[in-house]
Amino acid sequence: QKEVEQNSGPLSVPEGAIASLNCTYSDRGSQSFFWYRQYSGKSPELIMSIYSNGDKEDGRFTAQLNKASQYVSLLIRDSQPSDSATYLCAVIPRNQFYFGTGTSLTVIP
Amino acid sequence: DAGITQSPRYKITETGRQVTLMCHQTWSHSYMFWYRQDLGHGLRLIYYSAAADITDKGEVPDGYVVSRSKTENFPLTLESATRSQTSVYFCASSESLAGGAPNEQFFGPGTRLTVL
Repeated sequence: QKEVEQNSGPLSVPEGAIASLNCTYSDRGSQSFFWYRQYSGKSPELIMSIYSNGDKEDGRFTAQLNKASQYVSLLIRDSQPSDSATYLCAVIPRNQFYFGTGTSLTVIP
Repeated sequence: DAGITQSPRYKITETGRQVTLMCHQTWSHSYMFWYRQDLGHGLRLIYYSAAADITDKGEVPDGYVVSRSKTENFPLTLESATRSQTSVYFCASSESLAGGAPNEQFFGPGTRLTVL
């Protein structure tokens, strides 16, 4: 069983819509959760970190964590073409980072 | 400049040669990591280091060697390069949380390695 699983997509949304990205993890003891964005040919960059149950908002981005159901999600409001990228979920169980394989998002103008 | 840098950015080598990829960070982060990224596999951890002189294997360590004599540097050596090691390699660093776990990772720009 993989530590972190994401739907690889591709996910397409129209400009201005809400994009919803989901991630599940296997280790109930995981305490730290992260979302990264990676443009083609570039390195991953941190978007959000979340450590406790509930929602965390930063501008157009909202991270949601549900430890009971072992999932973490990322909502992107008012999606822009510049949001088109691959989004990686990362989890830390047992002091080691694990990344999902990423979800490819395309925002259509 | 502050941040995390990798060198070289691009490297072409031949099967059997030894190759060293360099990683340098200026934040004094305790943790450093090496990943490879291949289509269909996402980011896979090769080795990581929690502090100077402390290293540990990740998911795909075979064929790689690391060392960390100084906090700021974490070189990755391919002892005898194989074609299957053609990949994009990312170095990352992070602070350590109070309990010793790594926190948010920050990535270098990557090294694109081709083994012929």
